[in-house]
Amino acid sequence: KAGVTQTPRYLIKTRGQQVTLSCSPISGHRSVSWYQQTPGQGLQFLFEYFSETQRNKGNFPGRFSGRQFSNSRSEMNVSTLELGDSALYLCASSPSPLDRSTDTQYFGPGTRLTVL
Amino acid sequence: GNSVTQMEGPVTLSEEAFLTINCTYTATGYPSLFWYVQYPGEGLQLLLKATKADDKGSNKGFEATYRKETTSFHLEKGSVQVSDSAVYFCALVDAGGTSYGKLTFGQGTILTVHP
Repeated sequence: KAGVTQTPRYLIKTRGQQVTLSCSPISGHRSVSWYQQTPGQGLQFLFEYFSETQRNKGNFPGRFSGRQFSNSRSEMNVSTLELGDSALYLCASSPSPLDRSTDTQYFGPGTRLTVL
Repeated sequence: GNSVTQMEGPVTLSEEAFLTINCTYTATGYPSLFWYVQYPGEGLQLLLKATKADDKGSNKGFEATYRKETTSFHLEKGSVQVSDSAVYFCALVDAGGTSYGKLTFGQGTILTVHP
């Protein structure tokens, strides 16, 4: 079974631009979560989608948004990019919402975003 | 709220040495606990997990036991290899129905193993 895939793997943007990142979960997985990883802040939760509904959102400004499609694929969008948005953005999927003790999230390779 | 604290790194060991990476947690509910590993330039890979007190997770020679009394989930390996060099993350999810897809991570511990 194919793992979580993320596209693109690398992106370079300039301040003020916007960017869209894509995530395809493992086949059959319906929950998708997004995380931002930076050297200073570590791994921080952005948001989670299940059945096309955002159920949880981390402490990020409204410039960060996302959505999930009926096939469970997800996208996240960052508008008006700032230098501090440079990070590795990780997507993770799980078969069902990560609320049951048996669930596990599986991560993709990430998208490395550089803002100049 | 939930939090995870890992031992400060980096950790540098010689091949075949014993490894321990400490992890303690604070949680309001009944968390499941995880260890993830990240190799350079890659995403996170699940290493092992434990879902209730006294459970032992194990994989590829790594082990960790869920200790509710000490709120700990220390990672151990009896004999490390150069290929184990990576960043290790301890994480938890509150399985009480309120986490809504959110893993809480420790800050990560860099492990370097020399031949």
